[in-house]
Amino acid sequence: NAGVTQTPKFRVLKTGQSMTLLCAQDMNHEYMYWYRQDPGMGLRLIHYSVGEGTTAKGEVPDGYNVSRLKKQNFLLGLESAAPSQTSVYFCASTRSGIYNEQFFGPGTRLTVL
Amino acid sequence: DQQVKQNSPSLSVQEGRISILNCDYTNSMFDYFLWYKKYPAEGPTFLISISSIKDKNEDGRFTVFLNKSAKHLSLHIVPSQPGDSAVYFCAASAYSGAGSYQLTFGKGTKLSVIP
Repeated sequence: NAGVTQTPKFRVLKTGQSMTLLCAQDMNHEYMYWYRQDPGMGLRLIHYSVGEGTTAKGEVPDGYNVSRLKKQNFLLGLESAAPSQTSVYFCASTRSGIYNEQFFGPGTRLTVL
Repeated sequence: DQQVKQNSPSLSVQEGRISILNCDYTNSMFDYFLWYKKYPAEGPTFLISISSIKDKNEDGRFTVFLNKSAKHLSLHIVPSQPGDSAVYFCAASAYSGAGSYQLTFGKGTKLSVIP
């Protein structure tokens, strides 16, 4: 039982390049989330999904796209990376409901030059 | 506008003493509150939570207190141990539509427990 895993762990991009971050969970959770964490900041929600085939925007969605084709996977895409997207990205998942204990992955550290 | 505020970026406590981490919120729609602990280069891990209908929840050395009228919650760690040294995030949950609840996080407080 791996919980929530993220691929890759580290990545360096040049401005304008694209990439996809993969999140996978093996807990059969309905809800999945993508956050970013910047120095001195809390976690900010980028996009989330309430089930397979559904996605919705969070607090800071601009410059990102997501897809949830399978229940266990949630992909975060950067079509044209910018230095402002340099951050640590965390994926999380949870069962549905108000008692929203989210389980987090280990993070992906992304640097955009 | 920050809806969840942790006004102390850092806190140092002697081993064996009590650590008190504070959190304030502004949104009255928050109805569930959580504390997460984060070590460097790892993802946050859930520590303890409290529903808005309660004013206290205890789990071993960790106790969370909620004062709804003041929109304030606190995390008490007794006794503090060196392994508790980490960044602690306060988070608040509110319904966001389509059956989804979203968490809003504070900026975190870095706790250092000195042996």
